[in-house]
Amino acid sequence: DTGVSQNPRHKITKRGQNVTFRCDPISEHNRLYWYRQTLGQGPEFLTYFQNEAQLEKSRLLSDRFSAERPKGSFSTLEIQRTEQGDSAMYLCADYAGGIDGYTFGSGTRLTVV
Amino acid sequence: DQQVKQNSPSLSVQEGRISILNCDYTNSMFDYFLWYKKYPAEGPTFLISISSIKDKNEDGRFTVFLNKSAKHLSLHIVPSQPGDSAVYFCAARGISGGYNKLIFGAGTRLAVHP
Repeated sequence: DTGVSQNPRHKITKRGQNVTFRCDPISEHNRLYWYRQTLGQGPEFLTYFQNEAQLEKSRLLSDRFSAERPKGSFSTLEIQRTEQGDSAMYLCADYAGGIDGYTFGSGTRLTVV
Repeated sequence: DQQVKQNSPSLSVQEGRISILNCDYTNSMFDYFLWYKKYPAEGPTFLISISSIKDKNEDGRFTVFLNKSAKHLSLHIVPSQPGDSAVYFCAARGISGGYNKLIFGAGTRLAVHP
């Protein structure tokens, strides 16, 4: 149990490029969430996985965004044709049950130039 | 439609005094409210929570009060310490489709000065 790991920690990309982030949750936790945090705002829900099944996608997740969780373990979030408005901190969290069961990773900070 | 609101972007308090952080919500179906603390370059970490059927929960220097009729909650930190300086997020837990998710406010940056 080494916590939720997110890679890379920082990513700078040119507008129009594709980027992919990875989240490695705490093993055996079957629920995984992706959130996005922009400057001056709190984390906003993007999507949720129960094992390998993606059960909900926020309307914030446009067609350029896709998330996967093969085999119900690590998860990836891909953004195609990045735009400057995609610049944000992308947070992954897993859920172990209970009220305090959400564990957030340190996030991936994306800057689109 | 911002369901959870933190109207004070920042708060400055002297060490040893009380810090009061406020949060308002609009959805009466939330079953739990949580406070998270976030340091720069780290993810949010859980601080304290309160059930929607309670009006107070205390954990050491931290107390959360819930006023359901006003749809308002507050986090009290007494006494405040410089290490408490961080961004504090209020979050509400909603349940839809058989699973829960957190809805966050915009956060309040607390600065505790010696």
